Amino acid sequence: DSGVTQTPKHLITATGQRVTLRCSPRSGDLSVYWYQQSLDQGLQFLIQYYNGEERAKGNILERFSAQQFPDLHSELNLSSLELGDSALYFCASSPEGQGAGNIQYFGAGTRLSVL
Amino acid sequence: GEDVEQSLFLSVREGDSSVINCTYTDSSSTYLYWYKQEPGAGLQLLTYIFSNMDMKQDQRLTVLLNKKDKHLSLRIADTQTGDSAIYFCAAGGNNNDMRFGAGTRLTVKP
Repeated sequence: DSGVTQTPKHLITATGQRVTLRCSPRSGDLSVYWYQQSLDQGLQFLIQYYNGEERAKGNILERFSAQQFPDLHSELNLSSLELGDSALYFCASSPEGQGAGNIQYFGAGTRLSVL
Repeated sequence: GEDVEQSLFLSVREGDSSVINCTYTDSSSTYLYWYKQEPGAGLQLLTYIFSNMDMKQDQRLTVLLNKKDKHLSLRIADTQTGDSAIYFCAAGGNNNDMRFGAGTRLTVKP
């Protein structure tokens, strides 16, 4: 168990809908990262938050947004969902925002199916 | 940016050694990591190596780093069926986010 908790484990929804994925980082970790894993794109970095503020941005669509709350948990919001958004969404956490040895620990993921 | 590349598939027989290779482009990568992903699960950190090291051994796992060629390998000795998974190589440095390879799917045949 990595200590990173993601809910829900599975989510089934329809095109055009909006969903929220939740992540609780390991105790004491200040950074949260979101990744998308799909069959054709592999593991794609979406966005990083550090202590409540956006730190780095990857291949995140404009339809997607995230935030990190004062208690350091994070939510990833996906809107106007398309079939191609079906994927595994992982959250990871790390102690710091950057730096050598800032290891990321992953949650078990949320599997999103858009029908 | 930085790219991390690894072969997509590897198949070995139970009891043999497995070697998974990875190359990266950013010479400023300070830490290199190996993660394991079992079916339906998240990525589990297996091991990591500092860029000033050539080798790191941890039980059945041996990581070799050729910094000059920017080549990293993971050797699994006495591979078991439970080692079947996807193995991700990742590289990170002081100022950048961790970049992952596409993952190598290891299949262990009995």
